[in-house]
Amino acid sequence: TQLLEQSPQFLSIQEGENLTVYCNSSSVFSSLQWYRQEPGEGPVLLVTVVTGGEVKKLKRLTFQFGDARKDSSLHITAAQPGDTGLYLCAGEEDSGYALNFGKGTSLLVTP
Amino acid sequence: DADVTQTPRNRITKTGKRIMLECSQTKGHDRMYWYRQDPGLGLRLIYYSFDVKDINKGEISDGYSVSRQAQAKFSLSLESAIPNQTALYFCATSGPGTGSGSYNEQFFGPGTRLTVL
Repeated sequence: TQLLEQSPQFLSIQEGENLTVYCNSSSVFSSLQWYRQEPGEGPVLLVTVVTGGEVKKLKRLTFQFGDARKDSSLHITAAQPGDTGLYLCAGEEDSGYALNFGKGTSLLVTP
Repeated sequence: DADVTQTPRNRITKTGKRIMLECSQTKGHDRMYWYRQDPGLGLRLIYYSFDVKDINKGEISDGYSVSRQAQAKFSLSLESAIPNQTALYFCATSGPGTGSGSYNEQFFGPGTRLTVL
């Protein structure tokens, strides 16, 4: 069962553009993480959000957790080629046994 | 040095062969996980272990087995490999460890690309 739906699945933009990717679920999560994966490597944790409505910033990346803790978004301002990669969201349900991963958004930023 | 290491990084094998993938970590985490990643299917949990004496099946455990030899070591075995087990395999860890981490933040190894012919 895929609890987390990510959209869009693919995104190709030019350097300097802004973009938003979404992570949605019908389940409530006690926390949600965003990871970035580059080709040939494992996912790397970017951020964890815990509180409904929470906003965290990591340089040009802004992460928001929905008020009801069922969804999240990642906004990138002035995208750069180095932002290229697969962005994965992962949620921890209140049962807390393991993370549920979305299928990811594949981002390509061209110069 | 990498905190989570996986060996081998690449492996090509034949149908019916027994394969073992190994994972070691230096983060001091007590929880370890094995995932497989397939195009279009994302990361799927195979097995997870919350400590040396605790092993649990994940979403897709059929055809796989694991062994937690020590807190730092978690191996995944394919007793009789089949072509649809061709995938990228990732080991991950979580826990307070020696730093300020938490159980819901996972740290991944570099992956093993397994091809079963």
